[in-house]
Amino acid sequence: GAVVSQHPSRVICKSGTSVKIECRSLDFQATTMFWYRQFPKQSLMLMATSNEGSKATYEQGVEKDKFLINHASLTLSTLTVTSAHPEDSSFYICSAPRGRGANVLTFGAGSRLTVL
Amino acid sequence: GQNIDQPTEMTATEGAIVQINCTYQTSGFNGLFWYQQHAGEAPTFLSYNVLDGLEEKGRFSSFLSRSKGYSYLLLKELQMKDSASYLCAVLGSGGGADGLTFGKGTHLIIQP
Repeated sequence: GAVVSQHPSRVICKSGTSVKIECRSLDFQATTMFWYRQFPKQSLMLMATSNEGSKATYEQGVEKDKFLINHASLTLSTLTVTSAHPEDSSFYICSAPRGRGANVLTFGAGSRLTVL
Repeated sequence: GQNIDQPTEMTATEGAIVQINCTYQTSGFNGLFWYQQHAGEAPTFLSYNVLDGLEEKGRFSSFLSRSKGYSYLLLKELQMKDSASYLCAVLGSGGGADGLTFGKGTHLIIQP
């Protein structure tokens, strides 16, 4: 079945530093990937849509200069949280559409970011 | 706008049956999904309904009524491993997965 690998699973960083999260589709090509953020006991909130070979599409309220997205190939998308602050601490999850008209999402395992 | 409501938490007994309800008001409708999410893990796909009626898949079934903006996920023969959050998600207008809106999830606790 479709597998999406996300790395790192956990990261702790100091305030002001940048953190990169990678998302890879392992057995299929993904021209589009989605990045979500999930705060405790809250729903998954779409941050941006990553498009291979073109600029990402950001949801309203998400700062594109703070959350840099690069979709370098058909199997890799990266999210870089720049100048991280404690309020950026969250669970970040990537996903790629696969099957059922490409609307069923396969999720990565998520990355727990803690900014001190 | 998009609004999805589901209960915050439910408790059920091992071996029993539980029904998790979801109501929604969205701009357009192109399908409803149920995902299972264990604590600290990524969601996994359970079911997809786009037409009214019941979809059965093993111990799990999902029902949709588009006219009522209502769905439920039915879990039978509950097992301890079914303890997880269950997310209702609606695909709105446009049809692309970027139009998917998630509910806050229902935390299901299974007791022995």
